[in-house]
Parts: sequence; C-alpha cells; structure tokens
Amino acid sequence: DIQMTQSPSSLSASVGQRVTIACRASQGIASFLNWYQQKPGEAPKLLIFEAIDLQTGVPTRFSGRGSGTDFTLTISSLQPEDSATYYCQQSNKTPPTFGQGTKLEI
Amino acid sequence: EMQLLESGGGLVQPGGSLRVSCAASGFKFTDYAMSWVRQAPGKGLEWVSGLSGGGGATNYADSVKGRFTISKDTSNDTLYLEMKSLRDEDTAIYFCARASCSSVFCYRFALWGRGTLVTVSS
Repeated sequence: DIQMTQSPSSLSASVGQRVTIACRASQGIASFLNWYQQKPGEAPKLLIFEAIDLQTGVPTRFSGRGSGTDFTLTISSLQPEDSATYYCQQSNKTPPTFGQGTKLEI
Repeated sequence: EMQLLESGGGLVQPGGSLRVSCAASGFKFTDYAMSWVRQAPGKGLEWVSGLSGGGGATNYADSVKGRFTISKDTSNDTLYLEMKSLRDEDTAIYFCARASCSSVFCYRFALWGRGTLVTVSS
C-alpha cells in the first residue's frame, strides 16, 4: 500500500496568516492527490483534486501544488472557519490511502 | 439536492454481524462508484470498500476482506455494507462516499454522508 505522510501533525496560526501543509507519498502517484477538510462531527469535504484543481464552491484562498511524491496545500489568508483537520489522499492505486491528518487551530 | 444518508449503526458484540445502509438521492446512482470509508474514534480516515457504478466490480481493504461485503440495490438507490465476524478494531464511524466516476478504481470522493457509528464491544 502507498503510505501518505503529512507534516506538521498540528499547527496553530492566526487569522490572515498564510499556512502550508505538506504531504509525501511513499511512491510516485503522478497528480492523483486529493485534499479534504474535516470539522468535528462532520463528514470530510473535498477541497482540491488532482493536486491542483479547486473543487467547485471552495474559496480561492485554498490552493494545491505538487506531483510525483511531494505535495502541498496552502491557505493564503486564514479565516476562523478554516479551523479543521486536513487530510491528503492518494487516488492513484488501490487501496486509496489517507495521510494521518493535520489539525489546524486558529 | 444530492445527498447520502447512512443508517443501521449500533452496538454489536465481537464476532457478531451488522448491516449498514446508505440511501442516495439527487443523482443517478448507477453513474457513480461508491465507497465506504471509516474513522475510528479520534483517528484518521481509512478506506474500507468500493463498488462500481454498474455494480459488477468490488474491492476491499485487506483488513476487512472476507468479512465485509459491499452491495447496492438500484431499485431504491441504496448502498449496503454487510459486516461479519466483527472485531473491536472495526469500531468506527462508517461514511459512504460517492466517487467522481463509475469505475471501481475511481477514488475522488466529492460527496459524503454524515456517517453511522458502529461500536463493537462486549
């Protein structure tokens, strides 16, 4: 199975700050990388698919980069509602696998 | 409005069985592959099983292979997960998720239900 490793595991930031979360795959996955946001008690929400494409309805302050094994999710100007746990997920091979999550506190 | 609604969770003893359901609405059920993804309390996300839009192909995580069966009923647009020989480590919220295409190998999940809690405990 492909292992997905996120860093950091948690971070604290302020409103208006720019933050970046990293995700590394244990083998190359081309651009088959998705990012999800999950708030307590809620289902995950797709933010970014195929590494760089913004899901419809997601604010443009969210952006993704990367290919191969190294990827990033950037939130350009943090808002209070961005407080959540963020997961990367590879969709290149079966089984699809998720990172361990990054908890973002604002 | 596109929606997924899970049901059927509950408390079951180790070694027992349970079936959870996911009712889909607002989209053509047969156009999309579906998956079950679970989340143990306080933990991350783990994909469990997938089913093609046509219903002819399935796949499973190694941790549940041989114990869990995914299926669907297109007459009522409902996805199922039949779970047998349940273990403590199967305790989790079980989410159903709609993939972005119909292939069983499609794993971009843009639509999720709110989940149903399965607790395996004596």
